[in-house]
Amino acid sequence: AQSVTQLGSHVSVSEGALVLLRCNYSSSVPPYLFWYVQYPNQGLQLLLKYTSAATLVKGINGFEAEFKKSETSFHLTKPSAHMSDAAEYFCAVPLLSGGYQKVTFGIGTKLQVIP
Amino acid sequence: NAGVTQTPKFRVLKTGQSMTLLCAQDMNHEYMYWYRQDPGMGLRLIHYSVGEGTTAKGEVPDGYNVSRLKKQNFLLGLESAAPSQTSVYFCASEDSNTGELFFGEGSRLTVL
Repeated sequence: AQSVTQLGSHVSVSEGALVLLRCNYSSSVPPYLFWYVQYPNQGLQLLLKYTSAATLVKGINGFEAEFKKSETSFHLTKPSAHMSDAAEYFCAVPLLSGGYQKVTFGIGTKLQVIP
Repeated sequence: NAGVTQTPKFRVLKTGQSMTLLCAQDMNHEYMYWYRQDPGMGLRLIHYSVGEGTTAKGEVPDGYNVSRLKKQNFLLGLESAAPSQTSVYFCASEDSNTGELFFGEGSRLTVL
């Protein structure tokens, strides 16, 4: 079954430093891959989405992710962290079950930005 | 533009009590979902619906029931609450054209 693995439940970076949040999917190539962001006391919102159209995907707030089939990865990056980036980030993939595709989420990575 | 609205936002129950969480969406989406979020476990799917009058079990359905009598509403019920059901519950609806999920702000439930 399709799934995603997020490495590192907590990541700390200094303000202005590179942000790298890791996500690996299981062996079969998924039709879509998502990154969602959850700010404190809020629901999740879409950050970016991979389709087969382009391997480098740009999202909101300066984030981007690159789909690498050879590494089964979809890591999220941002060149320079801002204090407002402190949030929890979830990688997600559609899972085909019971004839329907349902999105399944990784365990999440909490990003702390240190001033 | 309300999007997805969950009520109530907070609730404290005693073990054995029942309650219903209401989710309403105004985007005319067919697919709707209930997730629970617990520390270190991400979001786990409880139940989902692919259209009015349909419901199906997700990953962790035990102890919950759902109903989708109207397309815009998806109700999550707890018939006899247990402390293990203390969690934050999120409802989401899906834009089937893009696969994007739209989430409510969550309902924090504590069962004593």
